[in-house]
Amino acid sequence: AQKVTQAQTEISVVEKEDVTLDCVYETRDTTYYLFWYKQPPSGELVFLIRRNSFDEQNEISGRYSWNFQKSTSSFNFTITASQVVDSAVYFCALPRWGGSQGNLIFGKGTKLSVKP
Amino acid sequence: EAQVTQNPRYLITVTGKKLTVTCSQNMNHEYMSWYRQDPGLGLRQIYYSMNVEVTDKGDVPEGYKVSRKEKRNFPLILESPSPNQTSLYFCASRASGGAGELFFGEGSRLTVL
Repeated sequence: AQKVTQAQTEISVVEKEDVTLDCVYETRDTTYYLFWYKQPPSGELVFLIRRNSFDEQNEISGRYSWNFQKSTSSFNFTITASQVVDSAVYFCALPRWGGSQGNLIFGKGTKLSVKP
Repeated sequence: EAQVTQNPRYLITVTGKKLTVTCSQNMNHEYMSWYRQDPGLGLRQIYYSMNVEVTDKGDVPEGYKVSRKEKRNFPLILESPSPNQTSLYFCASRASGGAGELFFGEGSRLTVL
């Protein structure tokens, strides 16, 4: 069965610290996508990244980076030099079936608080 | 501007009073879906629609109905709301091709007393 586990319920860091949010998944598919979404205090859901299971290279976007490891079924998200604006709930997600066409199953989310 | 629009954004209602949360997207997406978000449970899918006149249940469909008569609209209907349907609701849409990125509405916070 498809499953996404975000074991960290809440994380609190001080500004400028690096922080890693963990995501472990289970899938029966050989080809799949993985997603991260951000939900700031204002409540909207913001798409951050989509990663294809074919591509295990790490991805970097500014202060954000993602480490995809198929061998451990993990897709971890690191924020370097965190800022107060990074405070949000972060969700990892996986399609329910197929490589990309299915509905998303979300983890329960990790609430990140970045203190000044 | 590409967007998914939900209404109302906030609603307080009473048990048993039928209500509809509307969802409209302007991206000509075939796929639409409803999720609810509850503390400690993350987002759970209620219903989804692969295209006009095609709908199916998600993980938590009990107490909800949907319809998809037009491509752009996907209303969520609560025929007889109960307090356990107090939640934050999100509508989402996606093109049928591509890699499945979901575009979300801003959310509708519903309280059932």
